[in-house]
Amino acid sequence: GDSVTQMEGPVTLSEEAFLTINCTYTATGYPSLFWYVQYPGEGLQLLLKATKADDKGSNKGFEATYRKETTSFHLEKGSVQVSDSAVYFCALSTGFQKLVFGTGTRLLVSP
Amino acid sequence: EAGVTQFPSHSVIEKGQTVTLRCDPISGHDNLYWYRRVMGKEIKFLLHFVKESKQDESGMPNNRFLAERTGGTYSTLKVQPAELEDSGVYFCASSQRPGAGELFFGEGSRLTVL
Repeated sequence: GDSVTQMEGPVTLSEEAFLTINCTYTATGYPSLFWYVQYPGEGLQLLLKATKADDKGSNKGFEATYRKETTSFHLEKGSVQVSDSAVYFCALSTGFQKLVFGTGTRLLVSP
Repeated sequence: EAGVTQFPSHSVIEKGQTVTLRCDPISGHDNLYWYRRVMGKEIKFLLHFVKESKQDESGMPNNRFLAERTGGTYSTLKVQPAELEDSGVYFCASSQRPGAGELFFGEGSRLTVL
């Protein structure tokens, strides 16, 4: 079945460091790919998405490129802030009305 | 505009007891979803309502779980009787359009079964 694999956390970085959170997927067909973020005490929020190969999603300085050849959708940010501390979830959808999530990666950014 | 609200935020019950979780979607959102995250694991789909009808309940773990959405507004998820493995965070989400991904999530209801 469809699945998403994320790197284990927590990821601990200093402010202004470069961030990469790896995400790979297995899916039948051509999924849409997403990154959701959960800040402390809040619900999940859509951070960015890409719906076809080579698309790049971006938001709030975060980027991820849909790589069909490597079945990956890695999340990157050039300079993280303390306020980026959260749990990040990679997810896919094959259009059947539901999302398949990864296990989540906790990011901790220190000043 | 109010977001998706869930109640209670945290519930602690004994094994064998009953718990009912409630979700109020964003007004006008016909699509309502329930998901669950068991400790440290991935968030898993439970079911999907379109208005008051169950569109897909393939993720419901067993018949101890009952979801309803009377009148196509708020939804409840009842667990009866609760087991230890039911502990986790139950998320509700809603969307206006049926395409998955454009979901608005609530903060989740944390269930602890002792």
